[in-house]
Amino acid sequence: KQEVTQIPAALSVPEGENLVLNCSFTDSAIYNLQWFRQDPGKGLTSLLLIQSSQREQTSGRLNASLDKSSGRSTLYIAASQPGDSATYLCAVNRDDKIIFGKGTRLHILP
Amino acid sequence: EAGVAQSPRYKIIEKRQSVAFWCNPISGHATLYWYQQILGQGPKLLIQFQNNGVVDDSQLPKDRFSAERLKGVDSTLKIQPAKLEDSAVYLCASRHSGKDEQYFGPGTRLTVT
Repeated sequence: KQEVTQIPAALSVPEGENLVLNCSFTDSAIYNLQWFRQDPGKGLTSLLLIQSSQREQTSGRLNASLDKSSGRSTLYIAASQPGDSATYLCAVNRDDKIIFGKGTRLHILP
Repeated sequence: EAGVAQSPRYKIIEKRQSVAFWCNPISGHATLYWYQQILGQGPKLLIQFQNNGVVDDSQLPKDRFSAERLKGVDSTLKIQPAKLEDSAVYLCASRHSGKDEQYFGPGTRLTVT
């Protein structure tokens, strides 16, 4: 049974710092991995999707990496801003079944 | 392109009452998903439709939950009767065939008292 773990559960960092969010999964037989952002009271916004054959994806200040063999992914956020404060969710996809982690609550201190 | 629409956004009911949620997916998206997200948890899939057929409802508590997508477009999710542990955000998502990305609606926050 696939399990997705995100560490840390919560993180507070000063504005301007670079930061890394971690995601691990127990079954490496995945189709792709996605990072989502969730703001309070809102739905999920897809940030980056990495296919199983890829190693990383980049969008603006965000970079996500995937090491499928070790069951790990990281989301790197450069030059953090207060607007980055949200919950970040990692999700793995196999056979169109998405399993989510519990998320990391990120707070950027102005 | 309009996103996934859900209503109502918030609902408060007493236990043992019934409630229904509505979802309108992105136009042309054949696959529709309902997720339950309990506070502090990631979303959990309840049911997946492909057009108007059910693909996966293995995690749907069928004694009290039901869902339908009669014309392969809009969908409704019903809970009857509700329990305290059903308090959660119910998220609807849709996906275009041949694409990987799911698009999520804003969710319905249900509080059962």
